[in-house]
Amino acid sequence: KNEVEQSPQNLTAQEGEFITINCSYSVGISALHWLQQHPGGGIVSLFMLSSGKKKHGRLIATINIQEKHSSLHITASHPRDSAVYICAVWGGSSNTGKLIFGQGTTLQVKP
Amino acid sequence: DAGITQSPRYKITETGRQVTLMCHQTWSHSYMFWYRQDLGHGLRLIYYSAAADITDKGEVPDGYVVSRSKTENFPLTLESATRSQTSVYFCASSEVKLGLASSYEQYFGPGTRLTVT
Repeated sequence: KNEVEQSPQNLTAQEGEFITINCSYSVGISALHWLQQHPGGGIVSLFMLSSGKKKHGRLIATINIQEKHSSLHITASHPRDSAVYICAVWGGSSNTGKLIFGQGTTLQVKP
Repeated sequence: DAGITQSPRYKITETGRQVTLMCHQTWSHSYMFWYRQDLGHGLRLIYYSAAADITDKGEVPDGYVVSRSKTENFPLTLESATRSQTSVYFCASSEVKLGLASSYEQYFGPGTRLTVT
């Protein structure tokens, strides 16, 4: 079993829909990263969370440390949101800075 | 240019040749990382460095060599390229200050697409 599990692996939505991507982890963490990668593109950091909730535009990320779970929400989805979304965590007792990655969620938003 | 850059962006090489991928960051971040990304495997850590002259193996280090003589540069060398090393390679950097969660955020370079024929 992977230490970081994302669901769903693939997601197709219609433009305007509310989207949720989930991330569950089994390791103790200091912080959790949500990353975005467009097809053939680079990797962009969306959020870094250690508690609570963060919002950037139409993107919202939440984390529940006790339940070892994080969600990424996209409101009013748009075709340009089509990308792979990756959850990554740092080991709680490890200060090496190394990330443990989920397998990614491929999102396609249709117009 | 400020940020993190990689060169070359695309490279085709033959089996057995030595190849060096370059990574340069302008933030003076202490930590730097090399990842490879392959279909079905996601991102996997090859090597990382906590500071100049300090490097350590990641998940898939075999066949790769790194060095870090200067804080801003972290080259990755494939000593004798194999077809299994065909991949997209990403470099990343992070400050990682102990006890400061926000400093753990990693910043990724644009990637190098390497094809070994």
